[in-house]
Amino acid sequence: EAQVTQNPRYLITVTGKKLTVTCSQNMNHEYMSWYRQDPGLGLRQIYYSMNVEVTDKGDVPEGYKVSRKEKRNFPLILESPSPNQTSLYFCASSLANSYNEQFFGPGTRLTVL
Amino acid sequence: QKEVEQNSGPLSVPEGAIASLNCTYSDRVSQSFFWYRQYSGKSPELIMSIYSNGDKEDGRFTAQLNKASQYVSLLIRDSQPSDSATYLCAVNVGNEKLTFGTGTRLTIIP
Repeated sequence: EAQVTQNPRYLITVTGKKLTVTCSQNMNHEYMSWYRQDPGLGLRQIYYSMNVEVTDKGDVPEGYKVSRKEKRNFPLILESPSPNQTSLYFCASSLANSYNEQFFGPGTRLTVL
Repeated sequence: QKEVEQNSGPLSVPEGAIASLNCTYSDRVSQSFFWYRQYSGKSPELIMSIYSNGDKEDGRFTAQLNKASQYVSLLIRDSQPSDSATYLCAVNVGNEKLTFGTGTRLTIIP
């Protein structure tokens, strides 16, 4: 089944404790992206990647890191999480670029205490 | 000015009627436009994509694009209770970023 998977689905952590949210797709997509969704603010792009080793900032990259060492994986790293990073996070992928339909993962609900 | 704007709603429409959702965008070089549907607690899923001026129909859904007015809309005919969801407008703003509006919450009243 073609899909985007994220892990973990739910995470409660404390301020300053490094964490990684994994994202993997099995559709051989070139483009991958991370979003956060907050009430009243909608979906905001954090980082995106056009291909392996090619990443770029979205609208809200502060406090986040990403890497794209393999085509299928695009982990999101929070080196020192803070409470304002409490949010619902979505990973998405598309065939070639942002002009194509994006397929979303199931989401990761993160709470930083 | 926000890059992509939508009326947050909620928009209530009787079952069987036409639901009309609107979206405006600020970047004139935008080239691709999408409507996603998001049920509560779920991830967004694509409803329609549109790239050129005019109408595009797919079943009960019609997307309309007017680049001169920087306006894109989604019409849902014969609205069903299962159409109750938040509808997100997304616009490729001339680079590889995709910008979403804040979404319009639609409720279909049986």
